[in-house]
Amino acid sequence: AQSVTQPDIHITVSEGASLELRCNYSYGATPYLFWYVQSPGQGLQLLLKYFSGDTLVQGIKGFEAEFKRSQSSFNLRKPSVHWSDAAEYFCAVGEGAQKLVFGQGTRLTINP
Amino acid sequence: DTGVSQDPRHKITKRGQNVTFRCDPISEHNRLYWYRQTLGQGPEFLTYFQNEAQLEKSRLLSDRFSAERPKGSFSTLEIQRTEQGDSAMYLCASSLAGRELFFGEGSRLTVL
Repeated sequence: AQSVTQPDIHITVSEGASLELRCNYSYGATPYLFWYVQSPGQGLQLLLKYFSGDTLVQGIKGFEAEFKRSQSSFNLRKPSVHWSDAAEYFCAVGEGAQKLVFGQGTRLTINP
Repeated sequence: DTGVSQDPRHKITKRGQNVTFRCDPISEHNRLYWYRQTLGQGPEFLTYFQNEAQLEKSRLLSDRFSAERPKGSFSTLEIQRTEQGDSAMYLCASSLAGRELFFGEGSRLTVL
């Protein structure tokens, strides 16, 4: 069965610092991978996706993620965070986008 | 069209009452999905439609839940005889041909 693990429930970083959010997945075939961001009380916004090809994908808001098949990981990175990046981040895996399985989420807090 | 629209945004009801949520997808999207998100968790898949056909339902969707998508446009999710455990955010998403999902802002249900 598909599953997604986000090991860090809560991360705090200082504004301007670099960020890496971890995501590990379990999937039988080549997965489709996604990162979504959710602000409090809001829906989910797609940050980036990996379907195939270049394993380093660029997304919106300066985020990027790298697919590493050997490690079953799809970690999200940003070189310098802004206060507006504070939110909940979800990693998801699926076959196409039909029935995504989401991780538990990582809550990001930014210190000024 | 600005995106996926959900109504109402927040519904408070008493246990045992019926509630209905509506979702209007992005107009050219043929697939529509419902997810449920409880506090501190990632979204969980409930069901999805391709045009007007309901193609898959999760085991989470008990017989008190019913979803429809008449004419392949908007969708409704009805919960009968609500229970306190139904309190959650109900998220609707749409996609074109199984590509990435675009989510609405959700309908939050509180069952007293």
